[in-house]
Amino acid sequence: GAVVSQHPSWVICKSGTSVKIECRSLDFQATTMFWYRQFPKQSLMLMATSNEGSKATYEQGVEKDKFLINHASLTLSTLTVTSAHPEDSSFYICSASSGRSDTQYFGPGTRLTVL
Amino acid sequence: SQKIEQNSEALNIQEGKTATLTCNYTNYSPAYLQWYRQDPGRGPVFLLLIRENEKEKRKERLKVTFDTTLKQSLFHITASQPADSATYLCALDIGTGGFKTIFGAGTRLFVKA
Repeated sequence: GAVVSQHPSWVICKSGTSVKIECRSLDFQATTMFWYRQFPKQSLMLMATSNEGSKATYEQGVEKDKFLINHASLTLSTLTVTSAHPEDSSFYICSASSGRSDTQYFGPGTRLTVL
Repeated sequence: SQKIEQNSEALNIQEGKTATLTCNYTNYSPAYLQWYRQDPGRGPVFLLLIRENEKEKRKERLKVTFDTTLKQSLFHITASQPADSATYLCALDIGTGGFKTIFGAGTRLFVKA
């Protein structure tokens, strides 16, 4: 149980284009989903927290107009990187939780490369 | 300032030995602490959660201790195997007005056959 998927697993795009990453909880209802970014040999950095049906809460320094997050259902959240630039190249990981005190279950990650 | 520190140097041990990884934190009062395993190019996988009122927790070959006075957690893998080679992440729930987890940078473990 507690499986989270991400799609795509990797994506290469040109600078200036937008990329959408999907995060799905396959066998449980995720009231809260989290989006992280991880650069090589660094820790996971929380970008935003989203609750189903409400606006995402972004961490300090994360541009909400650049990283659009939608959590339209209890099993799906999307992250759209708008007008991507090479510095946005990173490993993006989502996680899902069914409640405040529950463990987060992570997706396999999406490797974004912006040329 | 608030920090989570894990040994950035890789830990190399021989198969069968016990691996011990350390997580230290400052200026946090976590409700609980978690350990995750991360393989290269993959998302973290949850291993163990220990709450602030628990001193020790075990799961198969894994053992975690949590000392809120020292602000330290130790993560042990007994009878280590080459398949245990991975990066291990420490994570704190800081619960600041919401559900929020902060991760350490992780310690890379290599278990030699």
